[in-house]
Amino acid sequence: KQEVTQIPAALSVPEGENLVLNCSFTDSAIYNLQWFRQDPGKGLTSLLLIQSSQREQTSGRLNASLDKSSGRSTLYIAASQPGDSATYLCAVPSGTSYDKVIFGPGTSLSVIP
Amino acid sequence: DTGVSQDPRHKITKRGQNVTFRCDPISEHNRLYWYRQTLGQGPEFLTYFQNEAQLEKSRLLSDRFSAERPKGSFSTLEIQRTEQGDSAMYLCASSLFNTEAFFGQGTRLTVV
Repeated sequence: KQEVTQIPAALSVPEGENLVLNCSFTDSAIYNLQWFRQDPGKGLTSLLLIQSSQREQTSGRLNASLDKSSGRSTLYIAASQPGDSATYLCAVPSGTSYDKVIFGPGTSLSVIP
Repeated sequence: DTGVSQDPRHKITKRGQNVTFRCDPISEHNRLYWYRQTLGQGPEFLTYFQNEAQLEKSRLLSDRFSAERPKGSFSTLEIQRTEQGDSAMYLCASSLFNTEAFFGQGTRLTVV
């Protein structure tokens, strides 16, 4: 059974800092991994999708890496801004079903001006 | 197409009432997913459709819950005899086969 954890649960940093969010999953036989952003009371916005054959993906100030063998992914945010404040969720397909996605509990990020 | 659309955005209902939510996926997407999210948790899978066929249901989907996608386009999620424990954000997502999933803004249900 696929399980996803995220560390830390919450993070508060001053504006301008670089930061790393961590995601771990128990079943390494994944097809892809997706990082999402969620603002309070809102839906999910897809940030990055990494296919299993890829090691990393970049979009602007965001860089996501994937190490399938160790069951880990990291989301690196460079030069953080107050507008980055949100909850960040990682998600992987379930080990028992390619189509069902399992989410981590999220990391709540607060960037202080 | 402006993305996945959900209606209503907010719903307050009395315990015991029935509620129905609607999701309009991105038009060319053949897969549609429903998730439920409670405060401080990640979304939990409820069910998904490929075209009009409901291919998987979570055991979270009790017999009070029913989802349909009659024409393979929009979908509805109905909750009968609502309970306070049903209070949550209900999220819909769509994808083209097993590619990237796009989520709607969700319907926040409050059962009082």
